[in-house]
Amino acid sequence: AQSVTQLGSHVSVSEGALVLLRCNYSSSVPPYLFWYVQYPNQGLQLLLKYTSAATLVKGINGFEAEFKKSETSFHLTKPSAHMSDAAEYFCAVSLYNNNDMRFGAGTRLTVKP
Amino acid sequence: ETGVTQTPRHLVMGMTNKKSLKCEQHLGHNAMYWYKQSAKKPLELMFVYNFKEQTENNSVPSRFSPECPNSSHLFLHLHTLQPEDSALYLCASRGGGGDTQYFGPGTRLTVL
Repeated sequence: AQSVTQLGSHVSVSEGALVLLRCNYSSSVPPYLFWYVQYPNQGLQLLLKYTSAATLVKGINGFEAEFKKSETSFHLTKPSAHMSDAAEYFCAVSLYNNNDMRFGAGTRLTVKP
Repeated sequence: ETGVTQTPRHLVMGMTNKKSLKCEQHLGHNAMYWYKQSAKKPLELMFVYNFKEQTENNSVPSRFSPECPNSSHLFLHLHTLQPEDSALYLCASRGGGGDTQYFGPGTRLTVL
């Protein structure tokens, strides 16, 4: 079965600094990969997704992620952090049948002024 | 206006109470999901419905009883819950042939 591992349960950056949130996946077949963001007391909102098209995926709010098959990674980046980026971020993997989507444990991003 | 709505947003109940959570999606999707999100644990898939039929039950205790009367509505009936059932319960939906699940805002449940 597919799975994801998010490295680092908590990441702290200064405003304007690079954001890098790490995600590694395990899948026996080409996966679909997703990043979701969750703000306090809200549900999960899709940031971006990879579904076997371009390996560099651009999402909302200036985020992007690159699918690297050789490294089984799908890390999320943003060149310059903003205070409003403070939230919990979840990486997820699924196969074509999206009923079985597996989520990572989440990474809490803190942005310091 | 989010495509997936959940009510109530907050619920406090005793262990002997019976309550229900409601989820409604306005996206024309035909698959709906219940997830449980507890502190410091990964999101747990509970139930999946496709075209109103339950297609997955992830070994959820019988004190949680789902109901899907049509493709737009999903309920989670709760009875004799335990304090460890306190969590954020999230509903999601997905369109046929689609690859993305869309989430509601969740119901924060506290069991006393």
